[in-house]
Amino acid sequence: AQKVTQAQTEISVVEKEDVTLDCVYETRDTTYYLFWYKQPPSGELVFLIRRNSFDEQNEISGRYSWNFQKSTSSFNFTITASQVVDSAVYFCALSGNSPGGYNKLIFGAGTRLAVHP
Amino acid sequence: EPEVTQTPSHQVTQMGQEVILRCVPISNHLYFYWYRQILGQKVEFLVSFYNNEISEKSEIFDDQFSVERPDGSNFTLKIRSTKLEDSAMYFCASSGLAGGNTDTQYFGPGTRLTVL
Repeated sequence: AQKVTQAQTEISVVEKEDVTLDCVYETRDTTYYLFWYKQPPSGELVFLIRRNSFDEQNEISGRYSWNFQKSTSSFNFTITASQVVDSAVYFCALSGNSPGGYNKLIFGAGTRLAVHP
Repeated sequence: EPEVTQTPSHQVTQMGQEVILRCVPISNHLYFYWYRQILGQKVEFLVSFYNNEISEKSEIFDDQFSVERPDGSNFTLKIRSTKLEDSAMYFCASSGLAGGNTDTQYFGPGTRLTVL
């Protein structure tokens, strides 16, 4: 069965601090995809990144970076120099390549990040 | 930039009533999904739809739920007889250009359903 665990329920930081959001996944698929979505207070789900299981290169996009480690089944997300606008709930998600599955997303429980001025 | 749209943004209904939630997916996408999020909880998969038929549904998606693509643009979720526990945010998503179903799912802004 597929599962995503985000053990950190809530994180509170002061602006300009770096913060890492953890994500651990379980899957039996050999090909799978990992995602991060942001849910700001307004409620929508904003796509941040997609990673496939064959690409373990870390990725950096501005203040955001992602560390994918297949050996530990983790896909962690770091925000450098956090800002108040980063305050949101962040969801890690997994999709597999199961026949007929059409890649439904399995979400973690989310981590609520509060960035204080 | 193309985006998924959903209407209404908020729907209030009485228990036992039927509701239809509407979505307009991104125009050249081929795969459509509904998810729900009960307040403060994780986002849960309901159903996926491709080529005018359901490709997968979760155990949440029982006989009270149905989906339809009535025309070339809309994708609807119907709940026949709403229950209190159907109160949630419902998200529509679309993905998948021709040639693969592994593309990123883009979500609409959601419809908040409140069942009284």
